[in-house]
Amino acid sequence: SQKIEQNSEALNIQEGKTATLTCNYTNYSPAYLQWYRQDPGRGPVFLLLIRENEKEKRKERLKVTFDTTLKQSLFHITASQPADSATYLCALLMDTGRRALTFGSGTRLQVQP
Amino acid sequence: GAGVSQSPSNKVTEKGKDVELRCDPISGHTALYWYRQRLGQGLEFLIYFQGNSAPDKSGLPSDRFSAERTGESVSTLTIQRTQQEDSAVYLCASSLNPSGNAGELFFGEGSRLTVL
Repeated sequence: SQKIEQNSEALNIQEGKTATLTCNYTNYSPAYLQWYRQDPGRGPVFLLLIRENEKEKRKERLKVTFDTTLKQSLFHITASQPADSATYLCALLMDTGRRALTFGSGTRLQVQP
Repeated sequence: GAGVSQSPSNKVTEKGKDVELRCDPISGHTALYWYRQRLGQGLEFLIYFQGNSAPDKSGLPSDRFSAERTGESVSTLTIQRTQQEDSAVYLCASSLNPSGNAGELFFGEGSRLTVL
């Protein structure tokens, strides 16, 4: 069956370091993948989209890679700040006929000052 | 308004009662989604509306759940005979483009439902 997997354990890093979050998917080749940020008690907020023919996408301190051979996307935050602390979700369109995005369970990032 | 609006923001109900949750999408957005998020969990897809196409109801967990959308405007999610397991935050999102075109989703702040 098709799955999206994100590390369920929280990632704790020091301010200024680079945070790297992983999104793995199985048995599928999505046309694109999206990343969202969710703060406690709030709805998710869109961050970045990367398509299957793009290896890397950048936006300010954010960088996303998409390796369709490994079936993996990496989400990097450089020069991390305490304000980056949140849960980060990846999402993609599964090849099940479902016409809405399927979200991973998210990874919580905690940046220590 | 500028964003997706959901109401009520909080709803406490007794087991067995019916509840209605409302979503006002961003004007002009053709796609509308409902997701459920239990405490500490990820987003669980419920239903998707795209323009005048038949909705994708494949995520609805039981026949107690239903949703309507009139044209490209307001949507209502109805849960009948609520159970304690229905307690969750119900998130609505809209997008300008359908998922097939990689449309980014704009989420509301959610309706927190507590079933006693």
